[in-house]
Amino acid sequence: GIQVEQSPPDLILQEGANSTLRCNFSDSVNNLQWFHQNPWGQLINLFYIPSGTKQNGRLSATTVATERYSLLYISSSQTTDSGVYFCAVRIGGATNKLIFGTGTLLAVQP
Amino acid sequence: GAVVSQHPSWVICKSGTSVKIECRSLDFQATTMFWYRQFPKQSLMLMATSNEGSKATYEQGVEKDKFLINHASLTLSTLTVTSAHPEDSSFYICSARTGQNYGYTFGSGTRLTVV
Repeated sequence: GIQVEQSPPDLILQEGANSTLRCNFSDSVNNLQWFHQNPWGQLINLFYIPSGTKQNGRLSATTVATERYSLLYISSSQTTDSGVYFCAVRIGGATNKLIFGTGTLLAVQP
Repeated sequence: GAVVSQHPSWVICKSGTSVKIECRSLDFQATTMFWYRQFPKQSLMLMATSNEGSKATYEQGVEKDKFLINHASLTLSTLTVTSAHPEDSSFYICSARTGQNYGYTFGSGTRLTVV
């Protein structure tokens, strides 16, 4: 099956720093989403980005589907950005299953 | 926006008992819902796809008789962990696709502890 790998697995930042999280996938996908899982486990949808670039405040994402990767940029990080970031890809077929990446654990220190 | 409500948020049960987790789409109809399991410090693993009015489709390695899924209406899917054991302790999350261009929305999850 498809492999979805994220890097780095762990990241520690000082408040105010910028970071780039990467998501590589091993096969063609129909769509890609980025999620933030907060400390209580809630998954928050950040971007629905099958291709191209989107921006939302301090966050932006770029997906290059032909090269099978996506990037999530976090600028001017805040302590509330801490948590786990997942990318997830939708593979084809009737069920439209969403397969999650390995995750990046981000800790932003004050 | 689309909301998926999941209950209970946490539950503690004794070994051998069964636990039911509910997942409701509040402002949209979900013909398909998905159930995931997440162990500590790991990613979300898809367990099964729940289809309204038909049998669920389970991923390889997931025991159908242990994890019973029912999707009786367009707004409700349930996951019942039968004869629970400590190794079933995990975080269970449901999800529904909200439309062609809006991706997927997730419930808040259920933390199950089997003692």
